[in-house]
Amino acid sequence: EPEVTQTPSHQVTQMGQEVILRCVPISNHLYFYWYRQILGQKVEFLVSFYNNEISEKSEIFDDQFSVERPDGSNFTLKIRSTKLEDSAMYFCASSEGGMNTEAFFGQGTRLTVV
Amino acid sequence: DAKTTQPPSMDCAEGRAANLPCNHSTISGNEYVYWYRQIHSQGPQYIIHGLKNNETNEMASLIITEDRKSSTLILPHATLRDTAVYYCIVRALNTDKLIFGTGTRLQVFP
Repeated sequence: EPEVTQTPSHQVTQMGQEVILRCVPISNHLYFYWYRQILGQKVEFLVSFYNNEISEKSEIFDDQFSVERPDGSNFTLKIRSTKLEDSAMYFCASSEGGMNTEAFFGQGTRLTVV
Repeated sequence: DAKTTQPPSMDCAEGRAANLPCNHSTISGNEYVYWYRQIHSQGPQYIIHGLKNNETNEMASLIITEDRKSSTLILPHATLRDTAVYYCIVRALNTDKLIFGTGTRLQVFP
């Protein structure tokens, strides 16, 4: 069964460093998303991406964040200068798009900023 | 976005049906109801979604009231592996993002 895969499963980085989280969406999907979940809190939407551009973003997704689809298979989230409060689980998701379609999530990358 | 209300927690005996309610009284006519679950800190898992009619798949059934102001997710024969947080989400018309609430923590016991 097709699935969204994320690497690495766990990333530890020093405050101020850049980090790139990687995702391989389901191959025929056209819409891609990043969500995050701080420990003990809700899953929060960060950004959606379609046709090589951001289609929607939340207030969390500030200038420190960027997304890219560098090739036909990968979808990345970059955090330029990590802060302690960026520590969270980051989930990638993908969907075919449209009102009657479901998004499928990866297993997440646990980012720990020290 | 239409707001949803779910009980914070529920218990269910293994092998019995788990019925998880959700209120969404402000839902608009073309907004879909989605259900996801999250086991521990894993990625949210899609379960089922619907608009007006009842829906069933290999995981669950979704019963939507005629006025669409509430719905119930039914796991027909709950197992210990169904212990998770279940999220009822109404997706707004002009977006495909999902707004997660706090969900219902379902505990299935032997």
